[in-house]
Amino acid sequence: AQRVTQPEKLLSVFKGAPVELKCNYSYSGSPELFWYVQYSRQRLQLLLRHISRESIKGFTADLNKGETSFHLKKPFAQEEDSAMYYCALSRTGSARQLTFGSGTQLTVLP
Amino acid sequence: KAGVTQTPRYLIKTRGQQVTLSCSPISGHRSVSWYQQTPGQGLQFLFEYFSETQRNKGNFPGRFSGRQFSNSRSEMNVSTLELGDSALYLCASGSGTGLEDTQYFGPGTRLTVL
Repeated sequence: AQRVTQPEKLLSVFKGAPVELKCNYSYSGSPELFWYVQYSRQRLQLLLRHISRESIKGFTADLNKGETSFHLKKPFAQEEDSAMYYCALSRTGSARQLTFGSGTQLTVLP
Repeated sequence: KAGVTQTPRYLIKTRGQQVTLSCSPISGHRSVSWYQQTPGQGLQFLFEYFSETQRNKGNFPGRFSGRQFSNSRSEMNVSTLELGDSALYLCASGSGTGLEDTQYFGPGTRLTVL
């Protein structure tokens, strides 16, 4: 069975500080990993996916298959980054069937 | 492009009743997926429809069913409602093909079972 673990329910950092949201997964095959974000009163939306290897809004995430992790990082947090972040997994080629972690609420303090 | 729309946005039902939720995908999208979100279990995949066929199914009882129409609109039905079915139900649409298919989520339908 596949599982996604986000160990921190809440995370607070000061503006300009680095931020790292942790995500660990268990999956027997070759997974696709995603980060979704939900800003206050907005819809859940894709932030980034590991196969794209993009940096979105200054965020990056590297898939570490040895540690089965996909941590989300940003070197300098901004107040507008405050949101709920979900890590998600799917089997390769099946981005429509996502297994989500429980989410981390990030608050960036002024 | 209009986003994914879900109707109704809020519903109140009583135990034992049934309910139907609707999802209209982004124009041109052929895949619709449904998720249940609760405080206890988080976001859980229900099923996915593509070209009117159920392509993937999550681990939910048979009381949860769905269908997709030729215009890609999808409905989800829950029969014999239980208190534990109270949740936010999200649908997401995508092209349904390709490795970089992106899921676009709707605002959700908030179902309360009394």
